[in-house]
Amino acid sequence: QKEVEQNSGPLSVPEGAIASLNCTYSDRGSQSFFWYRQYSGKSPELIMSIYSNGDKEDGRFTAQLNKASQYVSLLIRDSQPSDSATYLCAVNLGNFNKFYFGSGTKLNVKP
Amino acid sequence: EADIYQTPRYLVIGTGKKITLECSQTMGHDKMYWYQQDPGMELHLIHYSYGVNSTEKGDLSSESTVSRIRTEHFPLTLESARPSHTSQYLCASSEPGEYDEQYFGPGTRLTVT
Repeated sequence: QKEVEQNSGPLSVPEGAIASLNCTYSDRGSQSFFWYRQYSGKSPELIMSIYSNGDKEDGRFTAQLNKASQYVSLLIRDSQPSDSATYLCAVNLGNFNKFYFGSGTKLNVKP
Repeated sequence: EADIYQTPRYLVIGTGKKITLECSQTMGHDKMYWYQQDPGMELHLIHYSYGVNSTEKGDLSSESTVSRIRTEHFPLTLESARPSHTSQYLCASSEPGEYDEQYFGPGTRLTVT
């Protein structure tokens, strides 16, 4: 079982819609959670971090964390074609070398 | 946000050559990391460092080595490159604190022929 699981997609949404990306993790000791955006051929870019249960909003992005169910989600409101990328979920177990990335969900936003 | 630099950005080299991938950051972060990522695949941690003179191997077995003589510099060396080393190598650093928000450099795409 992988530490972090994501649906590889692609997830296709029309421009202006809400894109919902999900991630599950296996270790209940996980302490911090991150969403990265990675354009093709580029390096990951941190877009959201969340540490406690509930929602965290930043502009068009909302991260949601449910530790009891061991999932993290990312909502992108008013999706734009420029949001088309692969979104990586990452989990930190709190130990230095226990930082795991999922394989990512590819998002396509169609004009 | 960290300013992290990696050189070279692209490298094509023959089998058996020794190569060093450079990574530098200007934010004074103590923690630094090297990841390997194949196209469409997840990132795998290959090396990390707590600070000067500290280096550890990550979860993915790697034939590379690293050094940390200065806080801002974390080079990765392959003594004898092989085609199996063809991949993208990503360097990252993180701010002090328990949550380890990591910021990535632009990456080095290595091709070994």
